[in-house]
Amino acid sequence: EVQLEESGGRVVRPGGSLRVSCTASGFKFDDYGLTWVRQVPGKGLQWVAGINWSGHSRIYADSVKGRFTISRDNAKNSLFLEMNSLRVEDTAFYYCAKDYVVSNGAPLQFDSWGQGTLVTVSS
Amino acid sequence: QSALTQPASVSGSPGQSVTISCTGTSSDVGGYKYVSWYQQHPDKVPKLLIYDVNNRPSGISDRFSASKSGNTASLIISGLQAEDEADYYCCSYTSDSTLVFGGGTKVTVL
Repeated sequence: EVQLEESGGRVVRPGGSLRVSCTASGFKFDDYGLTWVRQVPGKGLQWVAGINWSGHSRIYADSVKGRFTISRDNAKNSLFLEMNSLRVEDTAFYYCAKDYVVSNGAPLQFDSWGQGTLVTVSS
Repeated sequence: QSALTQPASVSGSPGQSVTISCTGTSSDVGGYKYVSWYQQHPDKVPKLLIYDVNNRPSGISDRFSASKSGNTASLIISGLQAEDEADYYCCSYTSDSTLVFGGGTKVTVL
């Protein structure tokens, strides 16, 4: 069974930094691209960033480009999102999700999702 | 990266069919086959219903179907059931090599 578990969410001040993590099991981790999607409670889904199986291809939403960095450690079956210069509008649940297919490119369609970790940016 | 346009809500009676539209541009929905649909029940994580415009993952009911015409993708739920009451999101690859979601549609079963 595929499992994805996010961690690291907490309250952080505007302008601060935070790293959230996602630990995976139940599939061959280094075959699949992974992504981060966020959701403000009660609102819609917003794609944040994606990374291919090797980590060499990374893509970002304009709203986080230059502030967030997605990375992965295939030896530890882990995905990360380093968030800097955090803003109030970055407050959301952050979900990691797995690509539906094995490919060399960034993940585009997601068949397994974690339960999310809540990041709150507030003074 | 403007969000794709979906109706805020649609409703139908049990057994009826409802259609949810997802309108983008030639730079996203109209330009690529990578359009997907997700179902999200309250306080649950999203679930993949459709990938590559009109393909269902294994285990997804054939009551869910989808298509695309020009810059608009559509999700059709046939034989509406109480358990279909949820939020639905479309998602598309874009010419900027990014992804964009729709704003979401709340389906209500009357």
